[in-house]
Amino acid sequence: GAGVSQSPSNKVTEKGKDVELRCDPISGHTALYWYRQSLGQGLEFLIYFQGNSAPDKSGLPSDRFSAERTGGSVSTLTIQRTQQEDSAVYLCASSSSRDRRLNSPLHFGNGTRLTVT
Amino acid sequence: DAKTTQPPSMDCAEGRAANLPCNHSTISGNEYVYWYRQIHSQGPQYIIHGLKNNETNEMASLIITEDRKSSTLILPHATLRDTAVYYCIVRASNTGTASKLTFGTGTRLQVTL
Repeated sequence: GAGVSQSPSNKVTEKGKDVELRCDPISGHTALYWYRQSLGQGLEFLIYFQGNSAPDKSGLPSDRFSAERTGGSVSTLTIQRTQQEDSAVYLCASSSSRDRRLNSPLHFGNGTRLTVT
Repeated sequence: DAKTTQPPSMDCAEGRAANLPCNHSTISGNEYVYWYRQIHSQGPQYIIHGLKNNETNEMASLIITEDRKSSTLILPHATLRDTAVYYCIVRASNTGTASKLTFGTGTRLQVTL
């Protein structure tokens, strides 16, 4: 079945340019997460969307980073005025929270590798 | 979410059982133990999770101690394709909203011939 899809798989951009990264979650999943992973590092939480609730933006590293989720499905992560330290793999995940016990696992995409030159 | 402690690396011979330990001594009553793994150049893959009881699925078994302060992920017959970084995570299950996962540095499992 279809998993979490991210595009593009690779993105090279010049310092100072804006980039948009896209995530298509698993159909029906109400929760959507963005993480990033720098080379050789662990996963760093960025932002989390749950249904119609206000998103948890506590992990966004600066105001150059923003994300939106339109229609409760597709999400776009935008990085403005990119810097070299933004180079990383940006991972999206989704989960179903229909289970009241709310212990549904996250399903990850394979990420977008962003390189800022 | 409670912090977890894992060894940074482990080796296992192909065909043998891989036993990956995790300490979560500050886990609270409503926190589940999750295991994920990340194979090079891929996103993390869910393996298994549990609360109190031992769990088994087609990928692995999860053994949680009675006091819930530690757990062990068991891959019964490791293969070369099981070489990956394995993450042990505890995650609260609160009514109303799901919560994010907080990843540590994990255990790098190397399966060898």
